[in-house]
Amino acid sequence: AQTVTQSQPEMSVQEAETVTLSCTYDTSESNYYLFWYKQPPSRQMILVIRQEAYKQQNATENRFSVNFQKAAKSFSLKISDSQLGDTAMYFCAFEANSGAGSYQLTFGKGTKLSVIP
Amino acid sequence: GAVVSQHPSWVICKSGTSVKIECRSLDFQATTMFWYRQFPKQSLMLMATSNEGSKATYEQGVEKDKFLINHASLTLSTLTVTSAHPEDSSFYICSAISGTRAGNEQFFGPGTRLTVL
Repeated sequence: AQTVTQSQPEMSVQEAETVTLSCTYDTSESNYYLFWYKQPPSRQMILVIRQEAYKQQNATENRFSVNFQKAAKSFSLKISDSQLGDTAMYFCAFEANSGAGSYQLTFGKGTKLSVIP
Repeated sequence: GAVVSQHPSWVICKSGTSVKIECRSLDFQATTMFWYRQFPKQSLMLMATSNEGSKATYEQGVEKDKFLINHASLTLSTLTVTSAHPEDSSFYICSAISGTRAGNEQFFGPGTRLTVL
């Protein structure tokens, strides 16, 4: 079974500054996917960024980037130029690519990010 | 991105009654749909995975007779909470994926808030 750990229950950042959210995971799988999802106050889950484990290059989506350290089983999210709309719960998630076709996500407990004007 | 709707967005019912929640993929065919439960300030807990035309696979600890899932078509899955009790009050979220390739984005519905009196 996989576990996903987010050690920061809450964080805050000044608008326009940069913040990094931590995520570590534990798995015996060699091939898998990692995700960051955002849940704003509306509670609509939104995909922020996705990383394939077999790709060494860190994924980037505009102001969002990850630092994927496979050996350390670490997958942190960096948000640059923070905006008020970034205020949300952020969930790190893991999906094993075991060939079983389950496509299930295992979520961390989340980090509540507040962007301060 | 693809759109998933849920209906109703919120429902209040009396203890002992049954409540049906619909999850629809509006612009794609969902090969697999997931049902999650989310308590306040907590993460998403997977309840069950359903594939069109087959029985749902329930996670350990989830009562299949209480939470009936029907995935009747490639665009519709329903969750029926039978004989609801106050402890069933929660936020229920569905998600859907298209295709059979691992790593696909799960598209989430906006959620349904259930309150059982």
